[in-house]
Amino acid sequence: DTAVSQTPKYLVTQMGNDKSIKCEQNLGHDTMYWYKQDSKKFLKIMFSYNNKELIINETVPNRFSPKSPDKAHLNLHINSLELGDSAVYFCASSSTAIGTYEQYFGPGTRLTVT
Amino acid sequence: AQSVAQPEDQVNVAEGNPLTVKCTYSVSGNPYLFWYVQYPNRGLQFLLKYITGDNLVKGSYGFEAEFNKSQTSFHLKKPSALVSDSALYFCAVRDPFSGGYQKVTFGTGTKLQVIP
Repeated sequence: DTAVSQTPKYLVTQMGNDKSIKCEQNLGHDTMYWYKQDSKKFLKIMFSYNNKELIINETVPNRFSPKSPDKAHLNLHINSLELGDSAVYFCASSSTAIGTYEQYFGPGTRLTVT
Repeated sequence: AQSVAQPEDQVNVAEGNPLTVKCTYSVSGNPYLFWYVQYPNRGLQFLLKYITGDNLVKGSYGFEAEFNKSQTSFHLKKPSALVSDSALYFCAVRDPFSGGYQKVTFGTGTKLQVIP
């Protein structure tokens, strides 16, 4: 069973298009995250939701809009895609239960904007 | 603000030799510290963590890390490296005083190359 899954795995699109990435976790965690990993492998947090509430919203262009329909799902919608959006996007989840703070990552979505 | 530094972009070690991947951190209080590993074209995978207690923590695949408060370090170690350990390693820190929100800051990553 896949703990944290993302779809699609690869996404190739043109500048100006709108696209969405979906994430689902079956770990029963209450917190989910979106990260962006650039070509130099730097990992930067974008958003985090706890029990469907947005709790972390880093400096990210307004073109990026997360949505959490329930605790097990976190989606990322990107409007008007730009070349600089090309990266690998990772979803992760964790639990706020005492003693457990590690994050579990999905396999990533490689977004290529042409 | 919390931060974490991995001073080495790459570490090369011969198979069978001990390995160390360095990490230093900065937080306002007592830190929560983590190590993750990323294999090519994969997501990050949790290795081990320090929250409280014994300064030496053991994790997956024979890895361990030592929390040193005076040096603000959390170096990752393994007594005998395997070629299969070759991967990208990330250190991460969470400031427990960041409230209930679990913002974790990741280091820039260290590529470990184990040479046969």
